[in-house]
Amino acid sequence: AQSVTQLDSQVPVFEEAPVELRCNYSSSVSVYLFWYVQYPNQGLQLLLKYLSGSTLVKGINGFEAEFNKSQTSFHLRKPSVHISDTAEYFCAVNGAGSQGNLIFGKGTKLSVKP
Amino acid sequence: DADVTQTPRNRITKTGKRIMLECSQTKGHDRMYWYRQDPGLGLRLIYYSFDVKDINKGEISDGYSVSRQAQAKFSLSLESAIPNQTALYFCATSDLGGASEWGEQFFGPGTRLTVL
Repeated sequence: AQSVTQLDSQVPVFEEAPVELRCNYSSSVSVYLFWYVQYPNQGLQLLLKYLSGSTLVKGINGFEAEFNKSQTSFHLRKPSVHISDTAEYFCAVNGAGSQGNLIFGKGTKLSVKP
Repeated sequence: DADVTQTPRNRITKTGKRIMLECSQTKGHDRMYWYRQDPGLGLRLIYYSFDVKDINKGEISDGYSVSRQAQAKFSLSLESAIPNQTALYFCATSDLGGASEWGEQFFGPGTRLTVL
């Protein structure tokens, strides 16, 4: 069975500071990894995904994530955040044989302060 | 127009009432999903459907039922609503084959349901 752990439920940060949102997964099979973002009062939209190949994945809005198989991690980073990045971020995993179903972490609320 | 729409967007109902949440999509995807979101719990899968004749229970299907009326429509019903079903409900879609093999899903805007 697969699982996803987002290590921080809330991350406050000042505008223009760097940020890292942590995600660890557990799976006995190969996985595909995703980060989704949910802006206030909206649905989820895909930020980036790792399927194969380069372990550094770039997404929208200047975010990137690095897949680390040995540490079973997929941390999300941005070198300089904006007020508009305030949102909830969800890490998700889809393991081989899961029929395309995603397992979501519990989410990390990023709050960017001026 | 939005690719995945949900109606209603907000609903307040009373304990014991039957309620239906509807989802429509224009993406032409075969797979559709219903999730609920609770603060601090993330998204949990209620039901999913790979095509009109294929309906599957998810992690938390008790107290819910679904109907896949057509490829584009997937509705969620609460036969007798209870207060702990108060939550934000999301519909999602994915493509059979292609992106769905990797799990990418496309979400509607959500329905906020309050059961008093």
